Amino acid sequence: DTGVSQNPRHKITKRGQNVTFRCDPISEHNRLYWYRQTLGQGPEFLTYFQNEAQLEKSRLLSDRFSAERPKGSFSTLEIQRTEQGDSAMYLCASSFGEIETQYFGPGTRLLVL
Amino acid sequence: AQSVTQLDSQVPVFEEAPVELRCNYSSSVSVYLFWYVQYPNQGLQLLLKYLSGSTLVESINGFEAEFNKSQTSFHLRKPSVHISDTAEYFCAVRTRGQNFVFGPGTRLSVLP
Repeated sequence: DTGVSQNPRHKITKRGQNVTFRCDPISEHNRLYWYRQTLGQGPEFLTYFQNEAQLEKSRLLSDRFSAERPKGSFSTLEIQRTEQGDSAMYLCASSFGEIETQYFGPGTRLLVL
Repeated sequence: AQSVTQLDSQVPVFEEAPVELRCNYSSSVSVYLFWYVQYPNQGLQLLLKYLSGSTLVESINGFEAEFNKSQTSFHLRKPSVHISDTAEYFCAVRTRGQNFVFGPGTRLSVLP
């Protein structure tokens, strides 16, 4: 196992289009997190899963954002009707247990034109 | 709500000099504290963490951080930096039942 992977690494889209990102966590990790990071800022929590259950979603997260982890393994993050303000790096992390170290993927950089 | 403050957005330092990157958090309950490092064009990696026990924690590459409950701080230090330490450093805090909150980051630039 080589760690957390994310695809695609880069995505350029036009405003109003939908985009979907994928995250493959470390195989034995039961928790999976999505974050958003903009230039000059730290990662901002979006949502997390324990196995297939989505346990928390940030109140700051627009209804245009949805995430799934259907079989408790990989996860997808979809953004509908993208806006220029959605341009950011989207990070995925996984861990085993609540307090254990989160291992981050390389991120998907989204640019909305 | 928790918050994490990293007062220095950028820290330039000469090679082999000591460095301290400051981190303060706001929480009145037990916390778990982390430092993550992001090297250029790479993902975040855990540098060190405090969960319980000794308040001084160390990383394998010479960094250390001390949990100070009274000052709500978790400053990161290294007695002698290398060019390869150039990176962005993020402090993060978590309390039980809450999710990670990251600071805005400190960009450490080690100059030859």
